[in-house]
Amino acid sequence: EVQLVESGGALIQPGGSLRLSCAASGLTVSRNIMSWVRQAPGKGLEWVSLIYGGGSTYYVDSVKGRFTISRDNSKNALYLQLNSLRAEDTAVYYCASVPAAGNLGNFFDYWGQGTLVTVSS
Amino acid sequence: EIVMTQSPATLSVSPGERATLSCWASQSVRNHLAWYQQKPGQAPRLLMYGASTRASGIPARFSGSGSGTEFTLTISSLQSEDFAVYYCQQYDVWPTFGGGTKVEIK
Repeated sequence: EVQLVESGGALIQPGGSLRLSCAASGLTVSRNIMSWVRQAPGKGLEWVSLIYGGGSTYYVDSVKGRFTISRDNSKNALYLQLNSLRAEDTAVYYCASVPAAGNLGNFFDYWGQGTLVTVSS
Repeated sequence: EIVMTQSPATLSVSPGERATLSCWASQSVRNHLAWYQQKPGQAPRLLMYGASTRASGIPARFSGSGSGTEFTLTISSLQSEDFAVYYCQQYDVWPTFGGGTKVEIK
């Protein structure tokens, strides 16, 4: 059974930094395309970042240069480093995986329960 | 960026009735369209991908159709557990989601 468990969310001041973690079990982070998706309070879903098995990384324009996705293969974990945080980054951040089989495309079959980041002074 | 638009924003349906949800893309996404269900306080759950392929464990009352720029999710006979928010997502290029349709009890 696949489980994704996020942690690291907090109340943080504008301009601050935070690192989110996603502990994976039942899948191998290094062999899957992994992603972060966020949801502002009461709003819809927004894709944030992707990391491919080969290590290539991609970001939505609004976070480029501020957020960094990475992984630790030895811990089977995914991370998102959030820098220069803004009020509009306030959201629940979900870790999600792309189906491993068959190059089906970048949709998300497994999701964590999410971790809340609140950016406010 | 491909903009995804969902309609209606809210759909009021009685249990046992059919629900039809629409999703439009600002440009063709071929059949690279997924649907998700989200209940309050929960993560999204994948329902459909490839516009019309049900994900593992999804009941047959859920069906998807469409290609190009127009897509539909149909729930043939609404059960109590189906009242939720539904999102479409294109993955032809970098993923973008629609704004969601809330299916509520009439």
